[in-house]
Amino acid sequence: AQSVSQHNHHVILSEAASLELGCNYSYGGTVNLFWYVQYPGQHLQLLLKYFSGDPLVKGIKGFEAEFIKSKFSFNLRKPSVQWSDTAEYFCGVLSSGSARQLTFGSGTQLTVLP
Amino acid sequence: NAGVTQTPKFQVLKTGQSMTLQCAQDMNHEYMSWYRQDPGMGLRLIHYSVGAGITDQGEVPNGYNVSRSTTEDFPLRLLSAAPSQTSVYFCASRLAGSSTGELFFGEGSRLTVL
Repeated sequence: AQSVSQHNHHVILSEAASLELGCNYSYGGTVNLFWYVQYPGQHLQLLLKYFSGDPLVKGIKGFEAEFIKSKFSFNLRKPSVQWSDTAEYFCGVLSSGSARQLTFGSGTQLTVLP
Repeated sequence: NAGVTQTPKFQVLKTGQSMTLQCAQDMNHEYMSWYRQDPGMGLRLIHYSVGAGITDQGEVPNGYNVSRSTTEDFPLRLLSAAPSQTSVYFCASRLAGSSTGELFFGEGSRLTVL
């Protein structure tokens, strides 16, 4: 069974600081990778996704992520965070097979101080 | 389009009571699923369905039942609520054959079991 690890449970940054959230997965086959964001009191929204091609993918609001196959990683980055980026971030791996389940990591709470 | 609609948004139950969380989507998505979200544990898959009449268990199915009589609806039933089922529940859907695999989430249902 696949699994997803997010090692940073809570990250606190000041505005304009750079962000990198780690995500590692365990699955030997072809993977589809996602980052979702959950703003306070809201539902999950897709931030970005990787399916194939360029391993550096760009998402909404200036976020990007790099798929490094050799490291089984899909880290999320943003050069300069804003207070409005305060949210919980979830990494997800889509399984292969007929049902194609999306397995999430435990999430990283990002707090950006003004 | 309304997307994925969940009701109720909040519910308080006593131990042993039963209830149903409703989920409806108007995007003609074949795949629907239920997740629970708990602090430090991310989102865990409870049950899912790849089409009307077809359901299957996810990672944490115990204590929950589902049915899928129509493409639009996927209710989650708690037959005898327990305090361990206090959580936030999210319904999500996507096209079963979607190459992107993007899940669309409802706004969540916060359940407290006393």
